[in-house]
Amino acid sequence: KAGVTQTPRYLIKTRGQQVTLSCSPISGHRSVSWYQQTPGQGLQFLFEYFSETQRNKGNFPGRFSGRQFSNSRSEMNVSTLELGDSALYLCASSPGQAYLYGYTFGSGTRLTVV
Amino acid sequence: AQSVSQHNHHVILSEAASLELGCNYSYGGTVNLFWYVQYPGQHLQLLLKYFSGDPLVKGIKGFEAEFIKSKFSFNLRKPSVQWSDTAEYFCAVNSGGYQKVTFGTGTKLQVIP
Repeated sequence: KAGVTQTPRYLIKTRGQQVTLSCSPISGHRSVSWYQQTPGQGLQFLFEYFSETQRNKGNFPGRFSGRQFSNSRSEMNVSTLELGDSALYLCASSPGQAYLYGYTFGSGTRLTVV
Repeated sequence: AQSVSQHNHHVILSEAASLELGCNYSYGGTVNLFWYVQYPGQHLQLLLKYFSGDPLVKGIKGFEAEFIKSKFSFNLRKPSVQWSDTAEYFCAVNSGGYQKVTFGTGTKLQVIP
């Protein structure tokens, strides 16, 4: 079956702009989580959605937001981009509780803010 | 808050050497533990997971990990590494009361032929 699909793979944006990243989970997976990966900080949890509801949120500013649609697809939005937002953004899906099933990760969207 | 420490940031081994990567977590209650691997140019993949029962967990590609509750540790082991094991390895934990999974900062393993 198809894996977790993230689009686009690469993005270059200017400071102050906003960006929307997309994630299509594995069919049947209802939980979608987002992580920010940087060389210095590793994987930092952004948020998790389950059945269109945000179930958990990490310690990121309000500029980072997300949503999940009825087909479990999820989008993540970052407004007023800063240079420090440059990172690999990973989407991970799970059939249910991620801490019970483990994640299936996508390949990520590499965001560069200039 | 739950946290995970991976003390080795970069490990270099020769093929056929034995591997042990350290992972320590902070929470003292019930935990779920994971090891993920990221091969060069590929996405993160689940290697193995521990929820309960036998503290020695076997995963894919010959990897295993041992949960030692008294040491708050979940070290990853492999008796004999191959060049194809070159990758970055992440330990992750979920502890009681938290729904999110917290990752360590990763250990880069380089296997020299």
